[in-house]
Amino acid sequence: EPEVTQTPSHQVTQMGQEVILRCVPISNHLYFYWYRQILGQKVEFLVSFYNNEISEKSEIFDDQFSVERPDGSNFTLKIRSTKLEDSAMYFCASSWTEQETQYFGPGTRLLVL
Amino acid sequence: GESVGLHLPTLSVQEGDNSIINCAYSNSASDYFIWYKQESGKGPQFIIDIRSNMDKRQGQRVTVLLNKTVKHLSLQIAATQPGDSAVYFCAEFIQGAQKLVFGQGTRLTINP
Repeated sequence: EPEVTQTPSHQVTQMGQEVILRCVPISNHLYFYWYRQILGQKVEFLVSFYNNEISEKSEIFDDQFSVERPDGSNFTLKIRSTKLEDSAMYFCASSWTEQETQYFGPGTRLLVL
Repeated sequence: GESVGLHLPTLSVQEGDNSIINCAYSNSASDYFIWYKQESGKGPQFIIDIRSNMDKRQGQRVTVLLNKTVKHLSLQIAATQPGDSAVYFCAEFIQGAQKLVFGQGTRLTINP
């Protein structure tokens, strides 16, 4: 069964450093998303991406965040200068169409020290 | 506004019993809802979805009920098993914004 994959599973970084979180969405999906989940809290939307551009982004997704689909399979989230409050689980998701089920990856646990 | 909330943060049931997890939503224009299961350290796993033109949908051991009048949906799990222990989130698709809004989650614990 196709699934969304994410790397790395864990990332520890120093405050102010750049991190890149990687995702491989399900191969025939066209819509891609990043969500995050601070420990013990609900899953929060960050950004949606379609046709090589951002469709929607939340207030969390400020200028320190960027997304890219560098090739036909990868979808990345970059945080340019990490802050302590960026520590969270980051989930990538993908869907075939806009209003179809979004399938989530296993997440990357980011810890900013 | 857009918010999806859950009525109970925790629920404990005996193995073999049925579970009902409730969720309230506030965006009356939303027409697509999903239940996800999240086990510790894992990503949300799709369980079942429902569109607003339906009021009930059944899967394997799970049923989702949608009451648009009171903006409420529920997830029923029949004959719960230890593997059902997880946090369950309802999510509302915000049309036009291409995003899911998740509720706070209910932790379901199955007692032997």
